[in-house]
Amino acid sequence: NAGVTQTPKFQVLKTGQSMTLQCAQDMNHEYMSWYRQDPGMGLRLIHYSVGAGITDQGEVPNGYNVSRSTTEDFPLRLLSAAPSQTSVYFCASSYLSTLGLALTGELFFGEGSRLTVL
Amino acid sequence: AQSVTQLGSHVSVSEGALVLLRCNYSSSVPPYLFWYVQYPNQGLQLLLKYTTGATLVKGINGFEAEFKKSETSFHLTKPSAHMSDAAEYFCAVNFGNEKLTFGTGTRLTIIP
Repeated sequence: NAGVTQTPKFQVLKTGQSMTLQCAQDMNHEYMSWYRQDPGMGLRLIHYSVGAGITDQGEVPNGYNVSRSTTEDFPLRLLSAAPSQTSVYFCASSYLSTLGLALTGELFFGEGSRLTVL
Repeated sequence: AQSVTQLGSHVSVSEGALVLLRCNYSSSVPPYLFWYVQYPNQGLQLLLKYTTGATLVKGINGFEAEFKKSETSFHLTKPSAHMSDAAEYFCAVNFGNEKLTFGTGTRLTIIP
């Protein structure tokens, strides 16, 4: 199995440009999420989804949009890139507990997308 | 407020020595607790987790962690460090919802 696949692995943007980070999983997971990783700050949740057609905000959603039209795909859109969005982005997916949607299972991560905004 | 704290952003141990990485959380409800490891230029992978049951949890690569409710802690240990354990380790907590909150990470260096 491919697991969680992210593209591109590297991207350089100029301030104000837009782009989409792609994420696909082949494990039929209901839950998908996007994190950004910055030195000394750990991973911070940007957006997440508990199923097709359902998305919600995480800790740092500003400047990012998501949609979930299928179970497999969860793209992250930067509408107008800023230098503060320079980071490594991780997509992750999981099953949800049947006991009230708690995230008790393992998160499966992609290999990351390194984005630089000049 | 619900939060997770990892004490020590960098930890160095000699090969063969005990590894102890600390994680504390703040929550009014019983959490679900996880440790993840990240090797250079890779995504994170699960080391171990606690959801219910036995409070001493064993994971991959010889790591284990103990959930201590009275101390609100979930420290990660390994009796004897190996060079291949050099990586960054993240404690993560789920407070019974759809979000996983990560600590800021501890970079483990193994001294030959």
